[in-house]
Amino acid sequence: SYELTQPPSVSVSPGQTARIACFGDALPKQFAYWYQQKPGQAPVLVIYKDSERPSGIPERFSGSSSGTTVTLTISGVQAEDEADYYCQSADTSGTYVVFGGGTKLTVL
Amino acid sequence: EVQLVESGGGLVQPGGSLRLSCAASGFTFSNYWMTWVRQAPGKGLEWVANIREDGSEKYYVDSVKGRFTISRENAKKSLYLQMNSLRADDTAVYYCARDQRFSGYEYFDYWGQGTLVTVSS
Repeated sequence: SYELTQPPSVSVSPGQTARIACFGDALPKQFAYWYQQKPGQAPVLVIYKDSERPSGIPERFSGSSSGTTVTLTISGVQAEDEADYYCQSADTSGTYVVFGGGTKLTVL
Repeated sequence: EVQLVESGGGLVQPGGSLRLSCAASGFTFSNYWMTWVRQAPGKGLEWVANIREDGSEKYYVDSVKGRFTISRENAKKSLYLQMNSLRADDTAVYYCARDQRFSGYEYFDYWGQGTLVTVSS
């Protein structure tokens, strides 16, 4: 079955830039999406179609894509950004949804 | 305001059944695909199933095929997940989500708060 691979954890200091990568063979053909999940809460969409930002999401969140890798970038990280982040896409047929394993962002 | 409210979770024995419901409001339910996503305790998100606007297409993750059935009642603005032959590894918080599925892309823009399903003897 198709998989998306993320690093388990990323750590940054406040004000620095955090980059979270997601790898998948189908990513050149399928869009990627990113969700933020804080403890005890439902996920929140922060990036859609690789790099689009939903209304209400701060400008410091951005997304990019290059070949089999998509990246979520958080510029000027704030303490409130500490959360788990999940990438999501689809298999090559576009039929089945898949999530990455998630990355825990720690703000030092 | 879009709202999704899940219900129906609880404790069930292995091999048992449970039916989850999701009540939608704040948008035209019949115009959207809908999805169930689950999250085992301390684990990541796993997509479970989705259903087309009119119920004519349904897709499932391999691990639940033949055991779970997704359905909807547009008149009641409700989404369901019938879960049979439950196993311990089905233990999770189950979220319903509005599914933005179109040609070439699919993502989930609104989520409920989830309902916990525990499978244990």
